[in-house]
Amino acid sequence: GAVVSQHPSRVICKSGTSVKIECRSLDFQATTMFWYRQFPKKSLMLMATSNEGSKATYEQGVEKDKFLINHASLTLSTLTVTSAHPEDSSFYICSATVGSVRASYNEQFFGPGTRLTVL
Amino acid sequence: AQSVAQPEDQVNVAEGNPLTVKCTYSVSGNPYLFWYVQYPNRGLQFLLKYITGDNLVKGSYGFEAEFNKSQTSFHLKKPSALVSDSALYFCAVRDSSADRGSTLGRLYFGRGTQLTVWP
Repeated sequence: GAVVSQHPSRVICKSGTSVKIECRSLDFQATTMFWYRQFPKKSLMLMATSNEGSKATYEQGVEKDKFLINHASLTLSTLTVTSAHPEDSSFYICSATVGSVRASYNEQFFGPGTRLTVL
Repeated sequence: AQSVAQPEDQVNVAEGNPLTVKCTYSVSGNPYLFWYVQYPNRGLQFLLKYITGDNLVKGSYGFEAEFNKSQTSFHLKKPSALVSDSALYFCAVRDSSADRGSTLGRLYFGRGTQLTVWP
């Protein structure tokens, strides 16, 4: 199946710093990627939809200026958590769809996730 | 509005016994249904999907799911559980009729069901 990678897998940072998380589709081109946040033993919360070459579409309640998303190429999307605070500590997961996202039957392939801990 | 319900937070079953993880959905158009599994500190892995055709869908690791339109359900099943099946399972739906604009490609997830298979 299609492979999605994330880097780093784990990051610990001090409060007030910014952290960048990369999401890459390794063997396919992804015009659309999704960013999720997952709290312990909780479901996934969609944060934003990342479209290559255009601005991301954020879900209601997600701060655009805090969670900066850039989809610079067909294989790379980045999520930057700016001025991180302890409440931003979470598990962040990205996903991508093989082929056109307009083909609704295409499943999403998920990255392995990034564990962010803000001290 | 689209939604997915997984009524059980936890399912416990003995190894070798059949298992069922329940999922019901609500969409306005035709549903595209998915099951994913998540192991601790990992991303989601795709198990199976229903798009159209045969209501019984077979997927990875011996899992299967049955689409029931009248009951709006898509329960995940396995005839004989293994200890290694213990994980967090997510049901997700896409509504093809709502697949446009900012919602293009979006999956709606249930809150997850923790499956524990004991030896």
